[in-house]
Formats: sequence, C-alpha cells, structure tokens
Amino acid sequence: SQKIEQNSEALNIQEGKTATLTCNYTNYSPAYLQWYRQDPGRGPVFLLLIRENEKEKRKERLKVTFDTTLKQSLFHITASQPADSATYLCASPLGQGGKLIFGQGTELSVKP
Amino acid sequence: NAGVTQTPKFRVLKTGQSMTLLCAQDMNHEYMYWYRQDPGMGLRLIHYSVGEGTTAKGEVPDGYNVSRLKKQNFLLGLESAAPSQTSVYFCASRKGTATSGGNYNEQFFGPGTRLTVL
Repeated sequence: SQKIEQNSEALNIQEGKTATLTCNYTNYSPAYLQWYRQDPGRGPVFLLLIRENEKEKRKERLKVTFDTTLKQSLFHITASQPADSATYLCASPLGQGGKLIFGQGTELSVKP
Repeated sequence: NAGVTQTPKFRVLKTGQSMTLLCAQDMNHEYMYWYRQDPGMGLRLIHYSVGEGTTAKGEVPDGYNVSRLKKQNFLLGLESAAPSQTSVYFCASRKGTATSGGNYNEQFFGPGTRLTVL
C-alpha cells in the first residue's frame, strides 16, 4: 500500500543554520508533494507544492526538492529562526477527490 | 474572510454519548474533509465530500457519520462515542470541482476540535 514517511525524531538546530527535513514515499509515484507547517494547537498551513517534473522549488527561505529516483523530497529552511519552530508535514495525493495522505510530521526546534 | 471554522473547540464526552462537530468555510470550496490527528499517527482521513449532497469514506470512517447539506458546511457525527475516538479533529476545504479536479490545489485547515471521551 502507499506509504509516506517522515523522520519522527525531533530536529534541533541552532539559529542561522539550515534545517533539512526528509519525506520518503513507497509503493507509488505521486504527481506532486505538498508541505505544510503546523504550530501547536493549530491546523496545518500550506507552504509549498512541488510537481514530479520539478527538481526544486523555492519560496523565500524555503526550498523543496523532489527526487523521483530516490522517492524522496527534502525540505530546507535556510538561515533558520526560532519563529520557524513548528511541526512540518509532507503530503501526497491519494486517489480521487483531492485526497491527501500525510506523513507523521517532523518537529523542528530552532534554538537562539 | 474567516476561512475554515470549527465548532466547538473543546469537548468532553462520556462513553456512549453522541455529538456533532460543525465545520464551516466561506471560500466557496467544493471539497471538504474531516481528519483526526493522534500522536505518532499523523493526519488520517475520516470522511470527505466533493460537493454539496455528496459524502465518501476515507481511511478511518468507522464510528463516524457525515453530512453536507449545504456547500459551506460539513458535519461530523459520533453516534456512540468510544474512548478510542479521543483525538484532535481537523476539518479542511479545497478549491476545485468534481469535474475539473484541480488536483494541485492546497487544503485549508480549521483550528481543530479537541475531543476527549471518558
């Protein structure tokens, strides 16, 4: 069955460094991947979408890559700030109806 | 625009009680979704709707029912609550019609309802 997995271990980094989060998928080839941010006690908020024919997508300090050979997407936050601390979710389409399947999320903590 | 709103924000139920969670969106979105989020499990789809008057089962539909009588509202019902339904419930909506797909559109989430079943 289709699976999408993120590193469930929290990622702790120092302010100013680059954070890199990983999303792996198995048993299917998604047409795109989406990344969301979730703050404690709130709903997820969409950040970026990358299509299977795009190697890389950027938005301000965010960069997402999509490697269809490795079946992996990497999410980078450059020059990280304490305000970037949150849980980041990756998601891929699942069948019809605009459904998404989500990874478990990776909690990022940026220390000053 | 308020976006996606959910009512109530918190609720405590006893086993066997029933309740309805209300989701409303003011973005004229066709698609709406109900998820539950549990620690270590991520977001799991309960039911979804591709338009007014339509509903379909998601990954974990047992114990839940839904209705979409109006385009802007999506109701999630628990007929006989069980402790296993203790969770945080999120509603989401998405632009796109059943015919045109709009598969690349993002989902917009509500703030969530924290439900505890004792």
